Amino acid sequence: ETGVTQTPRHLVMGMTNKKSLKCEQHLGHNAMYWYKQSAKKPLELMFVYSLEERVENNSVPSRFSPECPNSSHLFLHLHTLQPEDSALYLCASSRYRENTEAFFGQGTRLTVV
Amino acid sequence: GDSVTQMEGPVTLSEEAFLTINCTYTATGYPSLFWYVQYPGEGLQLLLKATKADDKGSNKGFEATYRKETTSFHLEKGSVQVSDSAVYFCALSDPRDNNDMRFGAGTRLTVKP
Repeated sequence: ETGVTQTPRHLVMGMTNKKSLKCEQHLGHNAMYWYKQSAKKPLELMFVYSLEERVENNSVPSRFSPECPNSSHLFLHLHTLQPEDSALYLCASSRYRENTEAFFGQGTRLTVV
Repeated sequence: GDSVTQMEGPVTLSEEAFLTINCTYTATGYPSLFWYVQYPGEGLQLLLKATKADDKGSNKGFEATYRKETTSFHLEKGSVQVSDSAVYFCALSDPRDNNDMRFGAGTRLTVKP
């Protein structure tokens, strides 16, 4: 238990569906992150939020839409995904711009069919 | 930009063998260095960290020393167990790079009885 909780753990969706991934932390952190982990590829940073404002978007396709309503919650809204978007999506949190580690959730295993 | 390079796997060892996973980094500032471990079906967990040159991080029998002169942070364990089978990620956090966490590609370790 790292203090970062992701739901659901597993998700299967069709290419025309709309779904959302949820992440929640109660560690008092002020930054939250979405990462994508695909087979045989390095961990990819998708979005960074600090104090509920997006500070980094690493050229992620618009079919991924993040939302950070407060410092404890982070969502990733998904629509019209492609099969190549199937991956493990990891959420993390930290204290922004401090030289400390990030804490990760257990991830959501997404399969797009 | 900052980056982390770690040895490619997979690595397969017998129980009680000595483990080394190499990690080198490139950074503009003075980063903190981390090793994370990912067990099957789980998110990333912090294994150990070092925040300045010559620091040694240690946990669960694993060690890594922050070597500024060789820009390295190699992970070692004297006697591995089957339960150490996982994917290991080297990472850095650089204050001059907004402290965004940069990860290596990961090294899969399998320990056989």
